[in-house]
Amino acid sequence: AQSVTQLGSHVSVSEGALVLLRCNYSSSVPPYLFWYVQYPNQGLQLLLKYTSAATLVKGINGFEAEFKKSETSFHLTKPSAHMSDAAEYFCAASGGSNYKLTFGKGTLLTVNP
Amino acid sequence: NAGVTQTPKFRVLKTGQSMTLLCAQDMNHEYMYWYRQDPGMGLRLIHYSVGEGTTAKGEVPDGYNVSRLKKQNFLLGLESAAPSQTSVYFCASSNPRYEQYFGPGTRLTVT
Repeated sequence: AQSVTQLGSHVSVSEGALVLLRCNYSSSVPPYLFWYVQYPNQGLQLLLKYTSAATLVKGINGFEAEFKKSETSFHLTKPSAHMSDAAEYFCAASGGSNYKLTFGKGTLLTVNP
Repeated sequence: NAGVTQTPKFRVLKTGQSMTLLCAQDMNHEYMYWYRQDPGMGLRLIHYSVGEGTTAKGEVPDGYNVSRLKKQNFLLGLESAAPSQTSVYFCASSNPRYEQYFGPGTRLTVT
């Protein structure tokens, strides 16, 4: 069975600092990997996705993630945090024939002025 | 193009009451999903559908039923609501090998 682990349920950074949100997956097949963002009282919005093309994936709002098969990781980064980045971030993986997503438990990002 | 819409946005039920949540998508997606979101638990899949007339159980299906009579609609039913079903419910849709698009959610409280 597939599983997704997000290290750190809450990450706090200062405005302008590097954002690093960690995600590890376990899968018996090469997965598709996704990062979603959820702003308060809203649905989930896709940030970026990995679908076995380039291992460094660029997304919206200046975020990017690197797929590292040897480490089974797909960490999300942004060079300089902005106050508007404060939200909850979810890593998700899919694999197999039915394309169901398995979500991590989420990481709440706080950006301090 | 509204994407994925959910009705209602909020609902309060008493224990034992029933209700149906409606999800509609206008992107001609084949797959549709129902999730529940609880604090610290991430999103958990309740039921999903890979096409009109088909449904399948997800991770937490007990106490819920679904139907997909039309390709664009996916209904989630609670026959006898319980306090443990207090949650935020999200619908999503996708095509095979593509990302899922999420609706805005329904906040359900069962007292």
